[in-house]
Amino acid sequence: GENVEQHPSTLSVQEGDSAVIKCTYSDSASNYFPWYKQELGKRPQLIIDIRSNVGEKKDQRIAVTLNKTAKHFSLHITETQPEDSAVYFCAASTWNYGQNFVFGPGTRLSVLP
Amino acid sequence: DAGVTQSPTHLIKTRGQQVTLRCSPKSGHDTVSWYQQALGQGPQFIFQYYEEEERQRGNFPDRFSGHQFPNYSSELNVNALLLGDSALYLCASNEYRDSYEQYFGPGTRLTVT
Repeated sequence: GENVEQHPSTLSVQEGDSAVIKCTYSDSASNYFPWYKQELGKRPQLIIDIRSNVGEKKDQRIAVTLNKTAKHFSLHITETQPEDSAVYFCAASTWNYGQNFVFGPGTRLSVLP
Repeated sequence: DAGVTQSPTHLIKTRGQQVTLRCSPKSGHDTVSWYQQALGQGPQFIFQYYEEEERQRGNFPDRFSGHQFPNYSSELNVNALLLGDSALYLCASNEYRDSYEQYFGPGTRLTVT
């Protein structure tokens, strides 16, 4: 089955700096890769996603890149703000009569003022 | 427009008991997935329901079962509870054909003593 690894497990950056979180996946059939932000005690919220037919997607300060050959994808946050502090999860999904999502273990991002 | 809702918010059960958790999907969504999130870990996919059928299943024992109703709401049942079943149980919904994006509910915190 699919296995998703995520690095780093914790990340501290100064406000205004960029943050990069990387994920790798094992199943070449995976075709959808979302990123979720989870603040303490709250539900995961979808912040950006990418499908396997696209190499890069950007939404304001957030971007995701996908390298299908190497089976890895990355989240890039520019101009970080204290409210970006949260746990970020990547996931990979395969389609076979329904979706099967596998999540990474998460990255705790701290943006220091 | 209501988002994904779950009930109850919190639940305390004893080992060996059975529990039922409930989920109502976001308006317009017809597919419901269930996840288990242990403390400090990423969500783990339990199963996905569409058209009242289980379409995909993660690596969970048969003690975990579910149901989807004609109005797209769903239940997660766990039998013979173990201490290790203590976790946050998240429900997520999406449109089966048009969208992969899953939206999560607030979760039910289950504690097994």
